[in-house]
Amino acid sequence: ETGVTQTPRHLVMGMTNKKSLKCEQHLGHNAMYWYKQSAKKPLELMFVYNFKEQTENNSVPSRFSPECPNSSHLFLHLHTLQPEDSALYLCASSLSTSLSYEQYFGPGTRLTVT
Amino acid sequence: KNEVEQSPQNLTAQEGEFITINCSYSVGISALHWLQQHPGGGIVSLFMLSSGKKKHGRLIATINIQEKHSSLHITASHPRDSAVYICAANSAGDMRFGAGTRLTVKP
Repeated sequence: ETGVTQTPRHLVMGMTNKKSLKCEQHLGHNAMYWYKQSAKKPLELMFVYNFKEQTENNSVPSRFSPECPNSSHLFLHLHTLQPEDSALYLCASSLSTSLSYEQYFGPGTRLTVT
Repeated sequence: KNEVEQSPQNLTAQEGEFITINCSYSVGISALHWLQQHPGGGIVSLFMLSSGKKKHGRLIATINIQEKHSSLHITASHPRDSAVYICAANSAGDMRFGAGTRLTVKP
């Protein structure tokens, strides 16, 4: 257990559905991250939030919409996804983005878009 | 060419063997991370280092900043060490990941 939880762990959705992924940490961290891991590809950073403010959007399509209501919670809202969006979505947190703090990862949500 | 290159991509070892996984990077870094990913996806951070060497149990990580190279060593390997090991370069808060090394340790 890393202290970072993600729900759901598995999600199957059609291309017209709207769903949300949730990430939660109670480690007292101020930075939270969304990563995408596709089959046979390196992890890709999607979004970074620091003190609830989005500090990085790594050219992610608008069908992915992050939300960070407070430092402990991070959401990824999904709508009109494509089959190529099927992947493992990982959330992580760290004390801050400003220095090289260790990141703590959640277990991931395995998303399948049909 | 990926900014973070790992070798080998796949590694099979017998229980008890000494294992080395290599990572080379081309970006300037503030820290280098080694991560372990088990089947099912969960990732655990093993090391974060910016110089020298760190040791946790049977795991040792080294880094040579001048050569932009890091190694992860596992001594007395065990089947439970079977996982994907990922090297990540932290460049001013932006993480660049290697493709991972899939390690299988056979009993």
